[in-house]
Amino acid sequence: QSALTQPPSASGSPGQSVTISCTGTSSDVGGYKFVSWYQQRPGKAPKLMIYEVTKRPSGVPDRFSGSKSGITASLTVSGLQAEDEADYYCSSHAGSNNPHVLFGGGTKLTVL
Amino acid sequence: QLQLQESGPGLVKPSETLSLTCTVSGGSISSSSHYWGWIRQPPGKGLEWIGSIYYTGDIYNKPSLKSRVTISVDTSNNQFSLTLNSVTAADTAVYYCAREFNSSADYWGPGTLVTVSS
Repeated sequence: QSALTQPPSASGSPGQSVTISCTGTSSDVGGYKFVSWYQQRPGKAPKLMIYEVTKRPSGVPDRFSGSKSGITASLTVSGLQAEDEADYYCSSHAGSNNPHVLFGGGTKLTVL
Repeated sequence: QLQLQESGPGLVKPSETLSLTCTVSGGSISSSSHYWGWIRQPPGKGLEWIGSIYYTGDIYNKPSLKSRVTISVDTSNNQFSLTLNSVTAADTAVYYCAREFNSSADYWGPGTLVTVSS
């Protein structure tokens, strides 16, 4: 039940696109369509940005998109804005015999 | 609008038991589509899922915490609770309660800091 692997940091200039990866195993990311992404600003609770790999909750800008290939999921932020600067966490359903949820270690996104 | 609010002691002594309650308002905890979960975040670190419960009492737990964790639900008061026993300094964290569906958490409480210290 190791945490999912994310790069500790990512950056981009306003208007650019940035992609954050989330690597797991065939027992979590690779085995289920239940991958989520969260945005967390300092001192605040996380906010759901993507669920079920590609779906956006109501109110989340379409600049945020998710995808998955094999054991790696990705979050892409297009048209970067200053307000996108935050920590981003992925999560995945894991374990068929003992279902649970795994989080990634988090990625600090900096808008240059 | 659904709201969740954590409550409980902010300071717990080592080896004792941490107890938190999450009160749900603006919706029913007896929703057929959702689980209700606990997630924590040590200061300056990442998120860790602890476990979640369905209104019928069906529970999923993080395997490494399972022996120390109890999650319960009180449908009459629209609340669910977390107890974590034998706490150590490593259990110091902001504890969040959240509504879950398909392993995603779409509504979160603001979080409550629990410090383990003598």
